[in-house]
Amino acid sequence: GNSVTQMEGPVTLSEEAFLTINCTYTATGYPSLFWYVQYPGEGLQLLLKATKADDKGSNKGFEATYRKETTSFHLEKGSVQVSDSAVYFCALSDQSGNQFYFGTGTSLTVIP
Amino acid sequence: DAGVIQSPRHEVTEMGQEVTLRCKPISGHNSLFWYRQTMMRGLELLIYFNNNVPIDDSGMPEDRFSAKMPNASFSTLKIQPSEPRDSAVYFCASSRQWEGYTFGSGTRLTVV
Repeated sequence: GNSVTQMEGPVTLSEEAFLTINCTYTATGYPSLFWYVQYPGEGLQLLLKATKADDKGSNKGFEATYRKETTSFHLEKGSVQVSDSAVYFCALSDQSGNQFYFGTGTSLTVIP
Repeated sequence: DAGVIQSPRHEVTEMGQEVTLRCKPISGHNSLFWYRQTMMRGLELLIYFNNNVPIDDSGMPEDRFSAKMPNASFSTLKIQPSEPRDSAVYFCASSRQWEGYTFGSGTRLTVV
């Protein structure tokens, strides 16, 4: 079946630190992979995506590379800011492209 | 585009009352999803529709929950009768095949 596993939180970092949030997946076929971000009191927003192996998705300084050999899609940012404090969800879409599977979310707090 | 529109934003009701949550998806999106989010259980998929047809309602917790999508531009999630354990944030999301979800801002339901 399809599933996503992401690292447990919460994660607390100082401003300008390097961020990695691990995400691995199990899927049949060739899924597309996504990272969503949820700021306090808001809905989830698409942060970035990758649709095939070795693709790199990027947005707002965040990056993630679709690694088929390790079934991973780790989220990285070189220098986090206080405004990056949020919950981050890794997700995949199934072969139909219609249904998505979300990880449990990783809470990130960035302190000045 | 106005995005996915949910109403109401907040709902407070007494136990035993009927609650109806509403969602207007993005025009042109062919899939619609209802999620529930709580601290304890995280993000749970309740039901999803494809081309207005319910495809998977295995996440609907009990018969007290029902969802309809009478046309491509409107969906409802109804809880009757409501119970305190139904208190959560309910999100609606829509998507086109292979594209990421777009989430609404959510309805925060409190059942007292």
